[in-house]
Amino acid sequence: AQKVTQAQTEISVVEKEDVTLDCVYETRDTTYYLFWYKQPPSGELVFLIRRNSFDEQNEISGRYSWNFQKSTSSFNFTITASQVVDSAVYFCALSEGDSNYQLIWGAGTKLIIKP
Amino acid sequence: GAVVSQHPSRVICKSGTSVKIECRSLDFQATTMFWYRQFPKQSLMLMATSNEGSKATYEQGVEKDKFLINHASLTLSTLTVTSAHPEDSSFYICSARESPATEAFFGQGTRLTVV
Repeated sequence: AQKVTQAQTEISVVEKEDVTLDCVYETRDTTYYLFWYKQPPSGELVFLIRRNSFDEQNEISGRYSWNFQKSTSSFNFTITASQVVDSAVYFCALSEGDSNYQLIWGAGTKLIIKP
Repeated sequence: GAVVSQHPSRVICKSGTSVKIECRSLDFQATTMFWYRQFPKQSLMLMATSNEGSKATYEQGVEKDKFLINHASLTLSTLTVTSAHPEDSSFYICSARESPATEAFFGQGTRLTVV
């Protein structure tokens, strides 16, 4: 069955530290999509990245980077030189196949960046 | 800019009254939209899949008669919480995807408080 696991419920670091948020997924489909979303205290979900199952290239966007490893079914998210504004809940999600609109959500990781 | 618009962002209503929440896709036609409920410190819980021109598909345990969904056009889905009670107080979020291969966009969310 499809599933997304974010084992870290809460992470707290001091500003400027690097932090990695883990995401492990389960799926039987060979075609699937992985996502990361940020939910700041305001509540609105902000899209960060989408990865399809055929593209294992790691991605870097400014201080954000993502490591997609099919061998370990993981799609981890690293924030370099964290800032207080990075404080939020981060969700990893999975969507299977080419015709399925539904997302399977992880439980989320609350990230606290202390000044 | 925002691709999915949801309103109201916040509503307080009296027990026994009904509340309608609107979700509009602004940049694309959405044959499928999703309605989620989020409890404090928890992940998103899918309530129902809203299908344009047909009945919504509700998740197990979600009362169809309490949470009425209407997807009358390709750009508008509404969720009506009927005869609201304090236990219906929650954060409701809608989302839409242009295709299964693209990311989901989310409305700003509606914080419902029933007093």
